[in-house]
Amino acid sequence: NAGVTQTPKFQVLKTGQSMTLQCAQDMNHEYMSWYRQDPGMGLRLIHYSVGAGITDQGEVPNGYNVSRSTTEDFPLRLLSAAPSQTSVYFCASSYLIKDTQYFGPGTRLTVL
Amino acid sequence: DQQVKQNSPSLSVQEGRISILNCDYTNSMFDYFLWYKKYPAEGPTFLISISSIKDKNEDGRFTVFLNKSAKHLSLHIVPSQPGDSAVYFCAASAGTGGGNKLTFGTGTQLKVEL
Repeated sequence: NAGVTQTPKFQVLKTGQSMTLQCAQDMNHEYMSWYRQDPGMGLRLIHYSVGAGITDQGEVPNGYNVSRSTTEDFPLRLLSAAPSQTSVYFCASSYLIKDTQYFGPGTRLTVL
Repeated sequence: DQQVKQNSPSLSVQEGRISILNCDYTNSMFDYFLWYKKYPAEGPTFLISISSIKDKNEDGRFTVFLNKSAKHLSLHIVPSQPGDSAVYFCAASAGTGGGNKLTFGTGTQLKVEL
């Protein structure tokens, strides 16, 4: 049982490049979400999903796209990276409604 | 607008003593509160939670207290151990419609000294 896995661990992009951050979980959780952590800001919700085929925006969705074609995977896409997207990104999953969320190890992204 | 606030960025405590981490919130719709612990280069890990129908929840060395009228919660760690040194995040969620959408505070860095 690997829990929540994220790839890559580190990534450096140039402004305007696109990339996908991968997230997978093997706990059959319905709920998955993406957060970003910035200094002095805590963790902020980017997008979330309550099941395959269903996604919704969080607090800071601009510049990011998500899709949920399977229960296990929830990739986060940056269409045109900007320096303001330099951050540490965490994926999390849980059963629905007030359940404990399990976080992945994070992806540290730098946009030059 | 920061709906969940942790006003102390850092806290230093001696080993064996009590650590008290504080959290304030402004959204009266929050009904479920959690504490997460985070080590460097790792994801946050769940520590303890409390529903708004309770005012205290205890798990081993960790106790969370909720004061709804003051919109305040606190995490007590007794006794504190060096391995407790980490960043602690307070988080909150609102109603079943919000599902598991969490609003986090900015974190408190706890250092437990020998």
